Amino acid sequence: DAGVIQSPRHEVTEMGQEVTLRCKPISGHNSLFWYRQTMMRGLELLIYFNNNVPIDDSGMPEDRFSAKMPNASFSTLKIQPSEPRDSAVYFCASSPDRVRWEQYFGPGTRLTVT
Amino acid sequence: GENVEQHPSTLSVQEGDSAVIKCTYSDSASNYFPWYKQELGKGPQLIIDIRSNVGEKKDQRIAVTLNKTAKHFSLHITETQPEDSAVYFCAAAGFQKLVFGTGTRLLVSP
Repeated sequence: DAGVIQSPRHEVTEMGQEVTLRCKPISGHNSLFWYRQTMMRGLELLIYFNNNVPIDDSGMPEDRFSAKMPNASFSTLKIQPSEPRDSAVYFCASSPDRVRWEQYFGPGTRLTVT
Repeated sequence: GENVEQHPSTLSVQEGDSAVIKCTYSDSASNYFPWYKQELGKGPQLIIDIRSNVGEKKDQRIAVTLNKTAKHFSLHITETQPEDSAVYFCAAAGFQKLVFGTGTRLLVSP
């Protein structure tokens, strides 16, 4: 079975540009999570969805960040406008449901904003 | 909210030795404690987890112990191999979210 799929794997963009990261969760999983990983702050939860509905977005750093989940098999994380301090690895993870809590991570998108 | 502390930050062992990584958490309501292994350039991989109604769980060379009274849990790796070299993260399920420790870089030398 395919795991969590993320695209692109690497993204280099200039400050001020819009960035869209994409995620396909494991089929049948009901919860989806977006994380950011940096050396300074470690793994931070940005937002999570359950049954395509955003449940907790308290980790989203600023209004420049937005996330959507239009259906059970696709989610996007958008940064507009991007800034150099957004440079990080962004992970998407999915979980079978809110009760079981096991989360399975994708390979990540390494974002560099110059 | 939940706070997870992890020690040590780095751990070097010889192949065949055991390795132990320890974590403490703050929220007594947390009831799920997974461990993840992250290799360079990859996403974290779930390797073992434990729930609050269990004190110990084993899976081949890895084991996790949980002390709910003291609010700490540990990862034990026996007979370490070079391919065990990676960064290991503990986590605790606080209210509707996982909170991760800061990671332990494990280096297993042949």
